[in-house]
Amino acid sequence: DAGITQSPRHKVTETGTPVTLRCHQTENHRYMYWYRQDPGHGLRLIHYSYGVKDTDKGEVSDGYSVSRSKTEDFLLTLESATSSQTSVYFCAISESGGSNEQYFGPGTRLTVT
Amino acid sequence: EDKVVQSPLSLVVHEGDTVTLNCSYEVTNFRSLLWYKQEKKAPTFLFMLTSSGIEKKSGRLSSILDKKELFSILNITATQTGDSAVYLCAVEPVGGAQKLVFGQGTRLTINP
Repeated sequence: DAGITQSPRHKVTETGTPVTLRCHQTENHRYMYWYRQDPGHGLRLIHYSYGVKDTDKGEVSDGYSVSRSKTEDFLLTLESATSSQTSVYFCAISESGGSNEQYFGPGTRLTVT
Repeated sequence: EDKVVQSPLSLVVHEGDTVTLNCSYEVTNFRSLLWYKQEKKAPTFLFMLTSSGIEKKSGRLSSILDKKELFSILNITATQTGDSAVYLCAVEPVGGAQKLVFGQGTRLTINP
């Protein structure tokens, strides 16, 4: 298995509180991604990174921000959590160059009450 | 807007049956199509297809891509209960960063 960990694995938080999810990789891959998975929607890209300090928005980026200060870490922040952000969040990594598959972390189940 | 549609959304069969899962896509500039299997955890990679008409095969699973008609199929022969999972199709458009656009997934249940 690719060396990807996510923390926390489960979190319950209240509406309006800030939340940060962490993705850590030991593969030295260039690209990192944050997805959310909801019933009926498959996986939807929130933000992605193509290098340290290089990030861009995905299709569902509103209400989320990211940071990547080191190759191995990619943080996803919900500035003020809402109930609509209750979801399972997956981090993925990919090598650079050409068409390469993405490897996924174990996921974080976030519940906003 | 890039779009991936999978069918059926749900499928229940008996062990030993053969199943075919479908994935159609609309992508401005196509680079590759990927299949993933997701049990009760993270998706795991199955196949990547870039060329039309060339079958990728791994054991009882196989997949083929038709770039003219913009679809792919995933076949599973002699199904086993361990094949029960959600199967995800994703397309990578040309444009850098290897972003993927996923379909909704097909939930496959194999009954003994």
